[in-house]
Amino acid sequence: EAQVTQNPRYLITVTGKKLTVTCSQNMNHEYMSWYRQDPGLGLRQIYYSMNVEVTDKGDVPEGYKVSRKEKRNFPLILESPSPNQTSLYFCASSYQTSGGVDEQFFGPGTRLTVL
Amino acid sequence: AQSVAQPEDQVNVAEGNPLTVKCTYSVSGNPYLFWYVQYPNRGLQFLLKYITGDNLVKGSYGFEAEFNKSQTSFHLKKPSALVSDSALYFCAVRDFGDMRFGAGTRLTVKP
Repeated sequence: EAQVTQNPRYLITVTGKKLTVTCSQNMNHEYMSWYRQDPGLGLRQIYYSMNVEVTDKGDVPEGYKVSRKEKRNFPLILESPSPNQTSLYFCASSYQTSGGVDEQFFGPGTRLTVL
Repeated sequence: AQSVAQPEDQVNVAEGNPLTVKCTYSVSGNPYLFWYVQYPNRGLQFLLKYITGDNLVKGSYGFEAEFNKSQTSFHLKKPSALVSDSALYFCAVRDFGDMRFGAGTRLTVKP
């Protein structure tokens, strides 16, 4: 089954404790992206990757890191989480056309709470 | 920078009536626009996209969207709403890999 998986689905942590949210896709997509969803703000892009070893900042990259060492994986790293990073996080992947990202397939989401 | 706006937080319609969810965009070049839907406790699902061509785009689940360049709008429509269409709808605009989403419109379809 074609899918984007994220782990963990739920996470409660404390301020300053480094964490990683994993994302993996099995569709051989070039493009992957991370978003956070907050009430009233919609989805905001954190980072995206057009291909292996290529990453770019999105709208709200501060406090986050990413890496793309393999095509299928795109982990999101919070080196020192803070309460304002409490949010619902989505990973997505897509084929890449000559014009850019095409329709995206989204993971189920990771609900993160930072105390 | 490019952006989209969804002027309505909430849209309520009766089952069987037509529905419209509004989106306006701001881009510096050609617009590449998308609609996504989020059902309760689920991730987002792609509905349709406008890249170029016909101004009326047909998508999944009977939805369509009308691209209007003069009004810089890309409204989502459906001729006859179903209760199961109740969800959160997002408009989005692409600039190569950069994606900007609207704040979302919650659609409620009442029986």
